[in-house]
Amino acid sequence: AQTVTQSQPEMSVQEAETVTLSCTYDTSESDYYLFWYKQPPSRQMILVIRQEAYKQQNATENRFSVNFQKAAKSFSLKISDSQLGDAAMYFCAYRSAQGGSEKLVFGKGTKLTVNP
Amino acid sequence: DSGVTQTPKHLITATGQRVTLRCSPRSGDLSVYWYQQSLDQGLQFLIHYYNGEERAKGNILERFSAQQFPDLHSELNLSSLELGDSALYFCASSRPGYTDTQYFGPGTRLTVL
Repeated sequence: AQTVTQSQPEMSVQEAETVTLSCTYDTSESDYYLFWYKQPPSRQMILVIRQEAYKQQNATENRFSVNFQKAAKSFSLKISDSQLGDAAMYFCAYRSAQGGSEKLVFGKGTKLTVNP
Repeated sequence: DSGVTQTPKHLITATGQRVTLRCSPRSGDLSVYWYQQSLDQGLQFLIHYYNGEERAKGNILERFSAQQFPDLHSELNLSSLELGDSALYFCASSRPGYTDTQYFGPGTRLTVL
């Protein structure tokens, strides 16, 4: 079974600075998808960024980018120019590319605090 | 706003009772997924429906059941409720050809007293 590990329960960053959240995963599959979801105090789960394992290029969405290291099974999220609105829980998630295995497997999350 | 709707937002009930949570997927999405978020278990997959048919089951208790109707909305039924069932229940949906990305509803907060 696949597992996702987020080793940083909490992180903090100064406004306008850059922060990196770590995520590692364990799988024997070669094709899969990886995601970062944001959960602000409202509890809504918001998709931040997605990465397809067969793509070597790291995904980028505005101030959010990932460092995907397939061999190391690592998928970190970098937030640049941090804003107060970035404060939230961040969850890393894995999804198999195999049909019939479409569930998301989540890490336990990292709570990000943004200091003004 | 993801386009996925869930009702009710909050639900408070007593042990032993039965409740129904409702989810309407985004327009065009055929897949509905249910997840439970609790403090001790984190986010866990419960069940997946595709176009009315059950596709996969996760850590769903026998006291829980779900279905997806012809109009594609889904209901999660929780019965014989226990204190430990208190959690945030999310519904997510995805569409054919893009099933790798799931969009989440706002969740239903269930409190069992």
